[in-house]
Amino acid sequence: GEDVEQSLFLSVREGDSSVINCTYTDSSSTYLYWYKQEPGAGLQLLTYIFSNMDMKQDQRLTVLLNKKDKHLSLRIADTQTGDSAIYFCAENSGYSTLTFGKGTMLLVSP
Amino acid sequence: EPEVTQTPSHQVTQMGQEVILRCVPISNHLYFYWYRQILGQKVEFLVSFYNNEISEKSEIFDDQFSVERPDGSNFTLKIRSTKLEDSAMYFCASRLTGGSGNTIYFGEGSWLTVV
Repeated sequence: GEDVEQSLFLSVREGDSSVINCTYTDSSSTYLYWYKQEPGAGLQLLTYIFSNMDMKQDQRLTVLLNKKDKHLSLRIADTQTGDSAIYFCAENSGYSTLTFGKGTMLLVSP
Repeated sequence: EPEVTQTPSHQVTQMGQEVILRCVPISNHLYFYWYRQILGQKVEFLVSFYNNEISEKSEIFDDQFSVERPDGSNFTLKIRSTKLEDSAMYFCASRLTGGSGNTIYFGEGSWLTVV
């Protein structure tokens, strides 16, 4: 079945850039998503990218997609303490449901 | 901005009891979902619902679980005879149409603790 893998933990200093990486196995993935989950809260959609795109930028967020390597990354510029959260990579194809990774915990220190 | 709302935000129940988790999807959405997240684990798909019937379900969604859209706004997940391992955060989600280009919006979750 489909699988999505992420590194579990990332620690950065405030003001630095954060890069969270994700790999997936389903070559038919058409959309890839990044969700943010703050402690005790729900899943907030941050951004998504269509599989025929290489890059998408949205303010401080940059998503890079390498479809050949099935690798997705989320770069957060000028990371703030409020960005501390768990970030989930997810994918789906066609009418299928979302497959999530285990999430990457981002810790931003002052 | 429209949002998916869920109640209760937290429920503690005794093993063997029945639980109903409620969701109000975004009003013009047609596809509804339940996902769950056991503490420290992946977010897992449970079931999808469209046109008043289940369209897809995972292995987790066995006879213990059922979903219903009792009226035009609510979407419920019933868990019969809860077990300790049912303790998890349950997320409701909705999407305008079924195509992957339409974003799935999640609620804030209902945290279920079975004791």
